[in-house]
Amino acid sequence: AQSVTQPDIHITVSEGASLELRCNYSYGATPYLFWYVQSPGQGLQLLLKYFSGDTLVQGIKGFEAEFKRSQSSFNLRKPSVHWSDAAEYFCAVGSQTGANNLFFGTGTRLTVIP
Amino acid sequence: DVKVTQSSRYLVKRTGEKVFLECVQDMDHENMFWYRQDPGLGLRLIYFSYDVKMKEKGDIPEGYSVSREKKERFSLILESASTNQTSMYLCASSFLAGNHYEQYFGPGTRLTVT
Repeated sequence: AQSVTQPDIHITVSEGASLELRCNYSYGATPYLFWYVQSPGQGLQLLLKYFSGDTLVQGIKGFEAEFKRSQSSFNLRKPSVHWSDAAEYFCAVGSQTGANNLFFGTGTRLTVIP
Repeated sequence: DVKVTQSSRYLVKRTGEKVFLECVQDMDHENMFWYRQDPGLGLRLIYFSYDVKMKEKGDIPEGYSVSREKKERFSLILESASTNQTSMYLCASSFLAGNHYEQYFGPGTRLTVT
């Protein structure tokens, strides 16, 4: 069965510092992997996705993520965080069955301090 | 741009009431989903639909039902609302982007049952 673990519930970083959010997945085949961001009171916005090819993927807002099959990880990174990045971040793995539903991690809340 | 809209951003209902949450997407997507989001639990799938009048149970369907009479509209129904259904409800639709599905989310409905 698919599952996603985000081990960090809450992370605080200073503005301008680098960021890495961790995501580990469990899936029997090549996964489809996603990172979504949710600003307060809003729905989820797709940041980036991996489904094949280059293991380093670029997304919107300056984010990138690296797929590491050997570690079953898909960590999200940003070299310099902006105050507007404060939000909740969700990693998700996509099913390859006809259902195409996503399995989400429990989320990591990011606080950015000046 | 994909647009997924939900009928209400905030809703307050009494225990035992019948509650309808409406979701509309304007991109002719085949698949639509209802999730609930709770702190520390991430997003959990309630129901999804891959075609008009078709529905499948997700991980937590108890206490909910759905209706999809038209392709663009997917309704979530709480037959008799209870306080443990107080939550954020997120609707999504998805389409096939090459060899994988991408989900797009609405802004969410925060439901309080008193």
